Amino acid sequence: AQSVTQPDIHITVSEGASLELRCNYSYGATPYLFWYVQSPGQGLQLLLKYFSGDTLVQGIKGFEAEFKRSQSSFNLRKPSVHWSDAAEYFCAARASKLTFGTGTRLQVTL
Amino acid sequence: DSGVTQTPKHLITATGQRVTLRCSPRSGDLSVYWYQQSLDQGLQFLIQYYNGEERAKGNILERFSAQQFPDLHSELNLSSLELGDSALYFCASSVVAEGMNTEAFFGQGTRLTVV
Repeated sequence: AQSVTQPDIHITVSEGASLELRCNYSYGATPYLFWYVQSPGQGLQLLLKYFSGDTLVQGIKGFEAEFKRSQSSFNLRKPSVHWSDAAEYFCAARASKLTFGTGTRLQVTL
Repeated sequence: DSGVTQTPKHLITATGQRVTLRCSPRSGDLSVYWYQQSLDQGLQFLIQYYNGEERAKGNILERFSAQQFPDLHSELNLSSLELGDSALYFCASSVVAEGMNTEAFFGQGTRLTVV
């Protein structure tokens, strides 16, 4: 069955530190891949997307993600985290329908 | 602002009741998707409509139904409500149907509380 896995439920990083959120997918062929962010009480905002081409994609708010076909991964990264990045992050994949991972809650300490 | 509008933002109702959630997609978007977000189930895809017709179905209960109207707005109807239906319900829209390289834009959600 098609699935998206985010192995980390909760991550805490210090402000200014680097961040990597993991995402793995299980699909027959490479799906379209997305990262969304959800702030408390808010909807989901698209950070970035991968359809094809360059495997390193740039998104909004200084985020980037790297697609690795050999590892079926699409990890989200940010070189220096800001306190305002504290939120829940969802990886999603779409072949026939958009499927979300369970999310990773990011806490940022000052 | 994603351009997707959901009303109401909050809804409190009693068990056994019926409610209707409304979604207006972004201008020009033909596809509307409904998702349920709860603490124990995460983000679950419920149903998708494309240009007025049902396109895909996910984990939607028989007590739930949806439709998309000619003006492309959509309604999600939840009936015989149970405590476990308490959740955040999101609507999303995209230009085209699934399988094509376009992203979905999400509304702010409707928080349903069943008491």
